Amino acid sequence: SQTIHQWPATLVQPVGSPLSLECTVEGTSNPNLYWYRQAAGRGLQLLFYSVGIGQISSEVPQNLSASRPQDRQFILSSKKLLLSDSGFYLCAWSEGDNQPQHFGDGTRLSIL
Amino acid sequence: QQPVQSPQAVILREGEDAVINCSSSKALYSVHWYRQKHGEAPVFLMILLKGGEQKGHDKISASFNEKKQQSSLYLTASQLSYSGTYFCGTEAYSSASKIIFGSGTRLSIRP
Repeated sequence: SQTIHQWPATLVQPVGSPLSLECTVEGTSNPNLYWYRQAAGRGLQLLFYSVGIGQISSEVPQNLSASRPQDRQFILSSKKLLLSDSGFYLCAWSEGDNQPQHFGDGTRLSIL
Repeated sequence: QQPVQSPQAVILREGEDAVINCSSSKALYSVHWYRQKHGEAPVFLMILLKGGEQKGHDKISASFNEKKQQSSLYLTASQLSYSGTYFCGTEAYSSASKIIFGSGTRLSIRP
């Protein structure tokens, strides 16, 4: 069966520090991969999605970037965090277009 | 463009029914429905692919009117476990693979 791992579960970072969140999927190949951010009490904002290695689509031009160094690995990065980057970051995967999305447990990021 | 969900919040007594609506300004290929419990990740409920398609999952069902670009989620005889925030996610013909979620509907069930 397929599983998705996302870490860390919680993270507290100072303003201006770098960020790296990692997500890996097991039990499937060539999945679609997604990064979402959710502010407290709000909806899911699509940040990046990837349909294959080296293919990254950016939805929100901010100080965040994403990379897919391996088929089942998706990384969210930032060189310098802003206060506004706080939130609940969720990684998700699907088998392809018009397929269910399966979410990781998420990372709660607090910026001080 | 983000789909519009209504209502924003619903409070029900156990056993009552609810309908949550989702509409888009884009031509849709599919509509997804998810439920999120407080502090947890969203969980997939169902996906609708064809115009007029209906699906059911226990006492939760949904319909998709492709021509109107609208979907509705029906919760019948609600149970306490149905509490949470419901999100619709839409995939448009013009942007396959990309799922845009609505702002959510918060459902509270009281005994």
